[in-house]
Amino acid sequence: AQSVTQLGSHVSVSEGALVLLRCNYSSSVPPYLFWYVQYPNQGLQLLLKYTTGATLVKGINGFEAEFKKSETSFHLTKPSAHMSDAAEYFCAVSGGGSARQLTFGSGTQLTVLP
Amino acid sequence: DGGITQSPKYLFRKEGQNVTLSCEQNLNHDAMYWYRQDPGQGLRLIYYSQIVNDFQKGDIAEGYSVSREKKESFPLTVTSAQKNPTAFYLCASSIKEREGETQYFGPGTRLLVL
Repeated sequence: AQSVTQLGSHVSVSEGALVLLRCNYSSSVPPYLFWYVQYPNQGLQLLLKYTTGATLVKGINGFEAEFKKSETSFHLTKPSAHMSDAAEYFCAVSGGGSARQLTFGSGTQLTVLP
Repeated sequence: DGGITQSPKYLFRKEGQNVTLSCEQNLNHDAMYWYRQDPGQGLRLIYYSQIVNDFQKGDIAEGYSVSREKKESFPLTVTSAQKNPTAFYLCASSIKEREGETQYFGPGTRLLVL
């Protein structure tokens, strides 16, 4: 079984400030980890993913995430927030008996203040 | 232009009515998925299909049915047995990659009950 916990259902940052969205996971096998972004009334867009290898993963729109096995974490960061980053962000994990199935966190709504 | 299309964008259901949501992909992906999204609950898996003419129930399959007669198409029927169908429905598809799999999402269909 696998699960994902996203700490903070709502996060607000000022434009230009650091963005940090937290994700912790549990998995009985080495996980694959994903971050997706969703804009209002749209589908999910892949931001980045970790499978194996380098633990610091760079994605689109200046986002990156670091896989920390010892902390079972995969936090998403961006050095400087932009107004266009306002959206909902989902962390997801796959692995275990059926590696095709994704388990999603409940999401974090990011607000960027001018 | 490759991608996943879902139609309609909005769908209204009357009491006792079955409705069908369309999902088509031209990415040549083997696997397809249906998720339900409710506010604050992330995404929950309804059904998935790894190959044509085969599909499996996800976590919340009751009141839903699917078919997979063609690789490109994976329609979802919301039956009258689904007592709380109002939600945002997302279709996804995936293909095995060198490391793991990545799911790609369509734009979604919002189902509302009249």
